[in-house]
Amino acid sequence: GAGVSQSPSNKVTEKGKDVELRCDPISGHTALYWYRQSLGQGLEFLIYFQGNSAPDKSGLPSDRFSAERTGGSVSTLTIQRTQQEDSAVYLCASSLLYGVEQYFGPGTRLTVT
Amino acid sequence: SQQGEEDPQALSIQEGENATMNCSYKTSINNLQWYRQNSGRGLVHLILIRSNEREKHSGRLRVTLDTSKKSSSLLITASRAADTASYFCATPDNYGQNFVFGPGTRLSVLP
Repeated sequence: GAGVSQSPSNKVTEKGKDVELRCDPISGHTALYWYRQSLGQGLEFLIYFQGNSAPDKSGLPSDRFSAERTGGSVSTLTIQRTQQEDSAVYLCASSLLYGVEQYFGPGTRLTVT
Repeated sequence: SQQGEEDPQALSIQEGENATMNCSYKTSINNLQWYRQNSGRGLVHLILIRSNEREKHSGRLRVTLDTSKKSSSLLITASRAADTASYFCATPDNYGQNFVFGPGTRLSVLP
């Protein structure tokens, strides 16, 4: 079956613009996660959804970041008024339930100029 | 504070040798997971060990977990050049709110 997909694969945007990143999880997976990875670094946990609900949004770096999930499936991560420090690879993952093995998408490489 | 931290940060070995990576964590866990990341295949789940397990095997991988020391190790036996990657340990917190990855160990297997 299809794995986790993310779009776009690459995004270059000007500082101050808004961007929207999309994640399509594996069908039937109730848990969906967003991470950020800067070059050569580990993964920074951003937010997790169980169904359409995010129990804790405190991992989002600032109030410019927001995320939603609809229909227990597709999720979007929105970054408003992008800054250069937002440049990173944004990874999405899904799992059958929270806390078990995650399946990762290929990521969206965001570059803010 | 970071939940999972791997050591060493980087490891270089010859093909055929064994590679051991360690992970430490701070709080109680239900399970601990190891992932691999390389440029070609992205992040891939390797193995999950539950808190009531002490050792688990999968092919050339062997994972141990010592909950009294809050540590885990990943052993790759008979390494291959294709094992060259970064390896991360990860732990879900018990409150269902966070999933912490360590900074990773960069493994280089030289032919």
